[in-house]
Amino acid sequence: EVQLVESGGGLVQPGRSLKLSCLASGFTFSNYGMNWIRQAPGKGLEWVASISSSSSYIYYADTVKGRFTISRDNAKNTLYLQMTSLRSEDTALYYCASQRMDAWGQGASVTVSS
Amino acid sequence: DIQMTQSPSLLSASVGDRVTLSCKASQNIYKYLNWYQQKLGEAPKLLIYYTNSLQTGIPSRFSGSGSGTDYTLTISSLQPEDVATYFCQQYNSWPLTFGSGTKLEIK
Repeated sequence: EVQLVESGGGLVQPGRSLKLSCLASGFTFSNYGMNWIRQAPGKGLEWVASISSSSSYIYYADTVKGRFTISRDNAKNTLYLQMTSLRSEDTALYYCASQRMDAWGQGASVTVSS
Repeated sequence: DIQMTQSPSLLSASVGDRVTLSCKASQNIYKYLNWYQQKLGEAPKLLIYYTNSLQTGIPSRFSGSGSGTDYTLTISSLQPEDVATYFCQQYNSWPLTFGSGTKLEIK
């Protein structure tokens, strides 16, 4: 069974940093690209970033480009999202999802507030 | 960026009704369209990929169609468990973009 489990969320002050992790199991993680998608409270879905299986290709939404970094460790079956210079508008539930978006984690809650 | 517009934003229908949800792209997305169902408090679930391919385990009452810029998700016979918000998403080009969702309620 495919499982994606996010961790690392929390309450952080504006301008500070936070790193999310997503532990994958039940499939050959190193063969597939991965995605981060976020959902602000009561709002729709917003794609954040994607990374290819070998990290050769990386894409970001304009809203996070230059502030967020997606990465992966295939030996640890783990996807990461390093978030810096956080803003109140980054407050959201952050989901990791598989390449085809056919598997999603339960989400990690990030709240940016002073 | 490709804008995805869903309509209606809210739909109320009766159990057993045939329900149609619309998704319109701001340019041709060549059928590279997914549909998701999100129930309250849960992560989104992929229902349909590449416009009309049913994801494994999804009931056959769900179907998708469309081409070019206009796409549709149809539920042939609405069930109580279908109460959810439905999102479309294009993956023809970066950045990936989602529609704003259609909230489906039971009348």
